[in-house]
Amino acid sequence: AQTVTQSQPEMSVQEAETVTLSCTYDTSESNYYLFWYKQPPSRQMILVIRQEAYKQQNATENRFSVNFQKAAKSFSLKISDSQLGDTAMYFCAFMKYNQGGKLIFGQGTELSVKP
Amino acid sequence: DAGVTQSPTHLIKTRGQHVTLRCSPISGHKSVSWYQQVLGQGPQFIFQYYEKEERGRGNFPDRFSARQFPNYSSELNVNALLLGDSALYLCASSWSSKDQPQHFGDGTRLSIL
Repeated sequence: AQTVTQSQPEMSVQEAETVTLSCTYDTSESNYYLFWYKQPPSRQMILVIRQEAYKQQNATENRFSVNFQKAAKSFSLKISDSQLGDTAMYFCAFMKYNQGGKLIFGQGTELSVKP
Repeated sequence: DAGVTQSPTHLIKTRGQHVTLRCSPISGHKSVSWYQQVLGQGPQFIFQYYEKEERGRGNFPDRFSARQFPNYSSELNVNALLLGDSALYLCASSWSSKDQPQHFGDGTRLSIL
């Protein structure tokens, strides 16, 4: 069975600074996807970034980038130039290849961006 | 285009009752998944439906059931409600059963008294 672990329940960062959220996972699969989702107080889960395990290049989306270490089963999210609107719960999620529709989530990290 | 819509937004029930939650996927999306998110935790997968057939089931008791209709909307039913069923229930849709990423609705907050 796959598991996803986020070891930082809460983090805070000053506006305009950089923060890194950690995620580790356990799987015996060789092909899979990893995601970071953001859940603001409005409750809607919003996709931030995704990574295909077969791609060695780390994914980037504007101010968001990941550090994907497949051998170490680590998948961290870096947020650059943090903005007040980045305040939210962040969830790391795993999905087996060809098993769309079944995400396995971590426990979440609550990020607060302070002015 | 409308996103994933869920109804109702908030629901209060008592122990032993039955509840039905509804989800309309994004237009053109044929796969619908349901998740339970207990306060302070990450979402847990309950069901996936694609083309009206169940394609996956999480570790939930038989009190939980779901179905998908010809228009790809879906219902999640929970019988004999327990206090532990209090949670945010999220619906997510995607174009196919293998496609990703999933698009989530705002959820239904279920409170059991």
